[in-house]
Amino acid sequence: GEDVEQSLFLSVREGDSSVINCTYTDSSSTYLYWYKQEPGAGLQLLTYIFSNMDMKQDQRLTVLLNKKDKHLSLRIADTQTGDSAIYFCAEKSGGSYIPTFGRGTSLIVHP
Amino acid sequence: DAMVIQNPRYQVTQFGKPVTLSCSQTLNHNVMYWYQQKSSQAPKLLFHYYDKDFNNEADTPDNFQSRRPNTSFCFLDIRSPGLGDAAMYLCATSRETGSYEQYFGPGTRLTVT
Repeated sequence: GEDVEQSLFLSVREGDSSVINCTYTDSSSTYLYWYKQEPGAGLQLLTYIFSNMDMKQDQRLTVLLNKKDKHLSLRIADTQTGDSAIYFCAEKSGGSYIPTFGRGTSLIVHP
Repeated sequence: DAMVIQNPRYQVTQFGKPVTLSCSQTLNHNVMYWYQQKSSQAPKLLFHYYDKDFNNEADTPDNFQSRRPNTSFCFLDIRSPGLGDAAMYLCATSRETGSYEQYFGPGTRLTVT
């Protein structure tokens, strides 16, 4: 079946850039998503990218997609303490409306 | 404005005592999902409704049931909660077309004593 892998933890200093990486196995993925989950809360969609795109930028967020390597990354510029959360990568393959989630990367931002 | 609402936010139940969690949405989305999330894990899909059509995941225990009386509301019933059912339960919705991004509620934290 489909698999989505993420590293579990990332620690950065406030003001630095954060890069969260994700790999997936399903070559028929059509949409790839990044969700943010703050403690005790649900998941909030940050951004998504369609599989025919290489890059998408939205303010401090940059998503890069390498479809050949099945690698997705989320870059957060000028990381702030409010960015501390768990970030989930998810993919959805064509013909399905059920996404597959990774285990989440816990981003810790320290002063 | 809240779009996906879950009640209650925190629920404590006794071992074996039936419990119902509720979800409502103002988005008029036709797909509604229930996920179970345990600490440091990805959300695990239990089942979803596509309009009135119920779709159960193969590994969802029979202990978990769901009802969707109308487009706006969806309920998760746990018939006989065990200690292993303590988790965060997330409700989500999506459109049937387009990018299919999911809108999540804030979750209900279930504790089983």
